[in-house]
Amino acid sequence: DTAVSQTPKYLVTQMGNDKSIKCEQNLGHDTMYWYKQDSKKFLKIMFSYNNKELIINETVPNRFSPKSPDKAHLNLHINSLELGDSAVYFCASSPASRAVNEKLFFGSGTQLSVL
Amino acid sequence: QQQVKQSPQSLIVQKGGISIINCAYENTAFDYFPWYQQFPGKGPALLIAIRPDVSEKKEGRFTISFNKSAKQFSLHIMDSQPGDSATYFCAARRRSGTYKYIFGTGTRLKVLA
Repeated sequence: DTAVSQTPKYLVTQMGNDKSIKCEQNLGHDTMYWYKQDSKKFLKIMFSYNNKELIINETVPNRFSPKSPDKAHLNLHINSLELGDSAVYFCASSPASRAVNEKLFFGSGTQLSVL
Repeated sequence: QQQVKQSPQSLIVQKGGISIINCAYENTAFDYFPWYQQFPGKGPALLIAIRPDVSEKKEGRFTISFNKSAKQFSLHIMDSQPGDSATYFCAARRRSGTYKYIFGTGTRLKVLA
């Protein structure tokens, strides 16, 4: 069983479209994250939810909206896609947001290409 | 102050050699320093981590050396193998606020057979 699974793995779409990426974790973790990895491999946090509550919201355009229906799911909806949104988006989870030695468990990523 | 600077950007090592990747930070509020390993097409996975109250941690062929006064830490991979070829990220997490991780810019390691 995959611990953190995200779908789709690849997403190719036109500029201006709206798309969603889904993430689910079966580890029983309280905290989930969205990270963006650009073409230079730079990994940057976008959002974090702890038990369905938003706790980290980095400087991300408001075209990006996370939604957490329950603590096992964190979806990412992107409106009006732009060329610069092309990247790999990783979902991750951890047991708790403030544990001293928390370990991040990453999904395998969604490669988003905006044409 | 929020940055973690990582070097080198890429590294080529012969099989059996030692791979060394360095990271430096400025924020003294960081209290947990993990290293993540990422293979192509996969998400990063925790490799090894250290807290600032120890100067070294070893797990198999992987060692973290930590210099608190210099605010630097490094990953040493002994007896490097082709299977170690991956991108390595250092990271730091602060002990207050939102407890978010700051990642380094990554090092692409290639171990030649």
